[in-house]
Amino acid sequence: NAGVTQTPKFQVLKTGQSMTLQCAQDMNHNSMYWYRQDPGMGLRLIYYSASEGTTDKGEVPNGYNVSRLNKREFSLRLESAAPSQTSVYFCASSAQRVTGELFFGEGSRLTVL
Amino acid sequence: AQTVTQSQPEMSVQEAETVTLSCTYDTSENNYYLFWYKQPPSRQMILVIRQEAYKQQNATENRFSVNFQKAAKSFSLKISDSQLGDTAMYFCAFTTSGGGADGLTFGKGTHLIIQP
Repeated sequence: NAGVTQTPKFQVLKTGQSMTLQCAQDMNHNSMYWYRQDPGMGLRLIYYSASEGTTDKGEVPNGYNVSRLNKREFSLRLESAAPSQTSVYFCASSAQRVTGELFFGEGSRLTVL
Repeated sequence: AQTVTQSQPEMSVQEAETVTLSCTYDTSENNYYLFWYKQPPSRQMILVIRQEAYKQQNATENRFSVNFQKAAKSFSLKISDSQLGDTAMYFCAFTTSGGGADGLTFGKGTHLIIQP
């Protein structure tokens, strides 16, 4: 049972380049999330998808887009990367209205030069 | 907006000691869920313990227990008989929605170091 899988684990981009972070979960969870983690800032919510077909902005959505491709997959796209987007990105999922617990992927370290 | 505050950026204790990490939160809701997550150097986020606000009894998981003071909006984590493997970042988190449909709000974390 893989849980939450996100790719790539590491990526280096130049300013202005685009990329997509992929996330898939095999736990049949309704809700999926993208967070970013920066030193001294904790985890901040970028976007979330409460159920298939819906997406909503979180605390820090600027510069990002998301797609809930199906119930399993939730991708995060940086259209024109900026150095301020250098961070560790986490995908997570939850079984809505059951426990409140989030299950996390292993994180993706993104560096924008 | 809900906020979660962890006032201790870093703590260091000797192995086998007991340590308490502090967390306070702010909400006007009556029903909510509180969590402590552990992030070791591997970067993986691991759920340590969970507390439902409507339950008066403090949650316990082996060496980990919480002191939940609803009126004070306080949710501290106590680690007993600390071990070297407890060295990690610890995040307090909060959600008002059952199942966390709109995500968890996290504190900024406490870096806990267990010294041999």
